[in-house]
Amino acid sequence: AQSVTQLGSHVSVSEGALVLLRCNYSSSVPPYLFWYVQYPNQGLQLLLKYTTGATLVKGINGFEAEFKKSETSFHLTKPSAHMSDAAEYFCAVSALSSGGSYIPTFGRGTSLIVHP
Amino acid sequence: GAVVSQHPSRVICKSGTSVKIECRSLDFQATTMFWYRQFPKQSLMLMATSNEGSKATYEQGVEKDKFLINHASLTLSTLTVTSAHPEDSSFYICSARAQDRRADTQYFGPGTRLTVL
Repeated sequence: AQSVTQLGSHVSVSEGALVLLRCNYSSSVPPYLFWYVQYPNQGLQLLLKYTTGATLVKGINGFEAEFKKSETSFHLTKPSAHMSDAAEYFCAVSALSSGGSYIPTFGRGTSLIVHP
Repeated sequence: GAVVSQHPSRVICKSGTSVKIECRSLDFQATTMFWYRQFPKQSLMLMATSNEGSKATYEQGVEKDKFLINHASLTLSTLTVTSAHPEDSSFYICSARAQDRRADTQYFGPGTRLTVL
């Protein structure tokens, strides 16, 4: 079984400030972890993912996330927020199912609000 | 590469009618496609997984007779909402897994907004 908890349904930052979106996961097997971004009335776009190897993962648009096994966390960060970063962000955990597919479980999402 | 399209992007229908949503992988072959439902301000809930040429696997609580899924080819899957009612109004998103890509990688469509009056 696997689950994802995203702390904070809304995060508000000023333009240029650090962005930190929190994600904790639960998985009975080594997880694959993902962050997706969703703009209004659009599908999901992959920001970054962790599978194996280096625990600090760099993604698109200046985002990065660090896998911390001891804390079961995969927080998303960006050093300097831009107005265009305002969107909904979803953390997801995925593991290989008995059927041979990776089925992701999504968190409830965090809405990032960027103030000028 | 790896583009997934959905059609229509938005549909409004009367209660009791059926609506078909198409999901296409435009530049790759998708062995597996997934259908999700998203309520306003909420996360994606997996409805079903479909493999080309075989019956879809539905998640617990999803009515297979109401949400008909057909994955007739490696580039097309359809979701038909039969006898739609206002409570079926939602944002439906499909995703596809490429035949020649990592098994953990999914590509998402832009979604279809269904409104049932």
